[in-house]
Amino acid sequence: DTGVSQDPRHKITKRGQNVTFRCDPISEHNRLYWYRQTLGQGPEFLTYFQNEAQLEKSRLLSDRFSAERPKGSFSTLEIQRTEQGDSAMYLCASSLDKWPSYEQYFGPGTRLTVT
Amino acid sequence: AQSVAQPEDQVNVAEGNPLTVKCTYSVSGNPYLFWYVQYPNRGLQFLLKYITGDNLVKGSYGFEAEFNKSQTSFHLKKPSALVSDSALYFCAVRDINNFNKFYFGSGTKLNVKP
Repeated sequence: DTGVSQDPRHKITKRGQNVTFRCDPISEHNRLYWYRQTLGQGPEFLTYFQNEAQLEKSRLLSDRFSAERPKGSFSTLEIQRTEQGDSAMYLCASSLDKWPSYEQYFGPGTRLTVT
Repeated sequence: AQSVAQPEDQVNVAEGNPLTVKCTYSVSGNPYLFWYVQYPNRGLQFLLKYITGDNLVKGSYGFEAEFNKSQTSFHLKKPSALVSDSALYFCAVRDINNFNKFYFGSGTKLNVKP
């Protein structure tokens, strides 16, 4: 399977714990995006990378959230001191980002439940 | 500010009938527009896009969309709906003037009844 993969698919954690999610993009894609999606809503932009550089971060992202993309390959999203409001689906997407291929390809998501 | 509006939370259509899922956008400059479909407990799948060129674009699974600059719309259409088209549909715009961020609509649930 050469699509975007995410791990884990589901995560249940207690409030206050730290969690880390992983995303493996399509290998030739240079852009990688993280989104959060809650029930009944569209994906909400969190951050994105051009190769290993983090180019933009949403103002909605608190200091408890951090993302990395070492060596421009896979990416991790860490949430520290989780809160119940962090419960959501976390989506990763990648794109080639060369004319005209700007469309994003999404992974299956990681569903986080904070109890 | 960039935004995408999907005015209908839900669209109901009978199998075999044409379907339309509406999307309007607000963007400065030329828009890059996209449609995605999401099945339950799955990620989003790319359907089609408008970057430039013909206003009518064709995509996967028989879907097409019409870009209308004067009405700032990008409605998704299909001539004959299938029950298997039932899913959640999202319109998105890429903000080329703001770090190339994507903005998604709130989604429209399409129900196709046999």
